[in-house]
Order: sequence, then structure tokens, then C-alpha cells
Amino acid sequence: GAVVSQHPSRVICKSGTSVKIECRSLDFQATTMFWYRQFPKQSLMLMATSNEGSKATYEQGVEKDKFLINHASLTLSTLTVTSAHPEDSSFYICSARATLPRDEQFFGPGTRLTVL
Amino acid sequence: AQKVTQAQTEISVVEKEDVTLDCVYETRDTTYYLFWYKQPPSGELVFLIRRNSFDEQNEISGRYSWNFQKSTSSFNFTITASQVVDSAVYFCAHGYSSASKIIFGSGTRLSIRP
Repeated sequence: GAVVSQHPSRVICKSGTSVKIECRSLDFQATTMFWYRQFPKQSLMLMATSNEGSKATYEQGVEKDKFLINHASLTLSTLTVTSAHPEDSSFYICSARATLPRDEQFFGPGTRLTVL
Repeated sequence: AQKVTQAQTEISVVEKEDVTLDCVYETRDTTYYLFWYKQPPSGELVFLIRRNSFDEQNEISGRYSWNFQKSTSSFNFTITASQVVDSAVYFCAHGYSSASKIIFGSGTRLSIRP
């Protein structure tokens, strides 16, 4: 199957700083990418849908000014957690939509964010 | 709106036992997809199966099998002769298409004891 990478895999930062997480489709072009968040021992919750060249669509309750999404190319979407606080500590997972050879979605390995 | 319910929060069985993970979904769509994912302790999601709403045939893949029944809106997952390596959290999920945003169930934590 297609490969999706995330960088970094793990990040620890101080409260008040901003953190950028990258999601890359390595062997296919992805016009659409999704960002999910998973708190400890909970399910994955969709945060936003990222479309190449346009603004992201955020799910209800997700602060778009806090979670900045940029999908500037067909292989890269970034999620920036601005002014991170301890309650933002979570596991962030992206997925990318491939259309060839068929329409399906591939998940990245996730990024574990810890805000001190 | 769609909803996925996994009523079993945790299951613990002894190795070699068969175990079934339940999944019930709600949707108003006539066309939809259902998925199962495995999430081992590493956190990375492992895709197990995708099933189109028009295909109610049960599927078997090695020790894994899935029972899709539209009449009861269920998509249950059975592991036969469980192994310790099967220990993980398993998520059932729903999507409008095979590549649309996915709504996940709350997950079932499966522990296989040696």
C-alpha cells in the first residue's frame, strides 16, 4: 500500500510555544489529507480536512486559529499547534487520500505531542 | 449523522480462544463503507478491512473473519485461535466513501493472555 509519513514522531515542548507537524504522502499525490487527534485511551477524532490549495475545513469545536493547517503541495500538509498548552498533549494522526489505482485512504504513523 | 458503537470496552481472553468484537453502526446513507483498524501499543493504525455497503458477503482472512449484516447494522470481527500478538485496540469505523473522512468507534482493547 501507499506510504504516509509524519514528522516528528514525538515532540516535547514548553507551554506557550508552537509546534509544527508534517504529513507527507511519499509515493502518491494527495489532494485531500485528514488530521485526527487521539487522547490517551480514547478514540480518534477528526479535527479537519485539508485540501491542497484551499482552506482547511474544521470539525465543530476545533479552533482553526489554534490548529493551523497548510496543504501547500500535493504531497505535504502541515498542522501547527499554536501556543500549545498541556491540554493539547495528544497523539496526532494524519491520513492522505489516494485516488489511483483506487480511491482509498492511508494513515500516517502518528505524532505524539507532549506539552510541559 | 453516522455513529459507530463498540460496546465492549475491554476484552481479555486466554490464548487460542476465539473472540468476537462487536460493532454496530448508524447511518442514513444507502452507500457507505465500514472499516476495521488495529492499533498496537506503538500507536500506528493497521488497516484490516474495508467493506462496501452493497457487499454483505462475509470475509475470511486467515484467522480473521468479518460478519456484515445490514439488517442489524452490525459489522462484527472474529479472531479465531487468538494469539498474544493480537493484543491491541481495535477500531470499527464508518465513512461515506472509501477515502472520505472516517468516523471511528470508541475502540475495544483486546488482551490475549498466554
